[in-house]
Amino acid sequence: QVQLQESGPGLVKPSQTLSLTCTVSGVSISSDSYYWSWIRQPAGKGLEWIGRIYTSGSSSYNPSLESRVTISLDTSKNQFSLKLRSVTAADTAVYYCARDRWGDTSNLDYWGQGTLVTVSS
Amino acid sequence: DIQMTQSPSSLSASVGDRVTITCRASQSISPYLNWYQQKPGKAPNLLIYAASSLQSGVPSRFSGSGSGTDFTLTISSLQPEDFATYYCQQTYSIPLTFGGGTKVELK
Repeated sequence: QVQLQESGPGLVKPSQTLSLTCTVSGVSISSDSYYWSWIRQPAGKGLEWIGRIYTSGSSSYNPSLESRVTISLDTSKNQFSLKLRSVTAADTAVYYCARDRWGDTSNLDYWGQGTLVTVSS
Repeated sequence: DIQMTQSPSSLSASVGDRVTITCRASQSISPYLNWYQQKPGKAPNLLIYAASSLQSGVPSRFSGSGSGTDFTLTISSLQPEDFATYYCQQTYSIPLTFGGGTKVELK
């Protein structure tokens, strides 16, 4: 059974770096059938796609965040990670990791439960 | 970026009602359109992918249709567990974008 689980600090100070890890079980992140994605959702608001990474290490980011974001893979631990630099209060949100199943089209078919990250001093 | 506009933003319905939610893209995206259901405090759940394909395990009362820029999610007979927020998503181009959501509430 495929499962994803986010982990990382729930509180980050302004101007610092938000770091989250997604631990994947039930499927190898080295599979060539999937991207591995991050999405966030501020309280009471909609979903924002942050970016995704492929097993090759190739990544794509939302241009609105691209200058501050890095997504990376750790195949030895079957994990992928998000780093968001220079955070402000506007980055406070629930952060989700998800599997992006691709073929003729793509879709987010498995999600982690989400983790709330608050940016505050 | 491709803008995704959902309507209505909220609706009130009763158990057994037929419910239709619309999603319009700012350019043609066929068939790169997915639908998700999200309940409070939970992650979104994939319902429909590629505009009209039902995700495994999703009840058949959910269906998707549309092409070009206009897409529809239909719930044929609303059940108590269907009260939630629904989002469309385009995967035609980066950045992937979501609609603003449609909240389905009990009348």
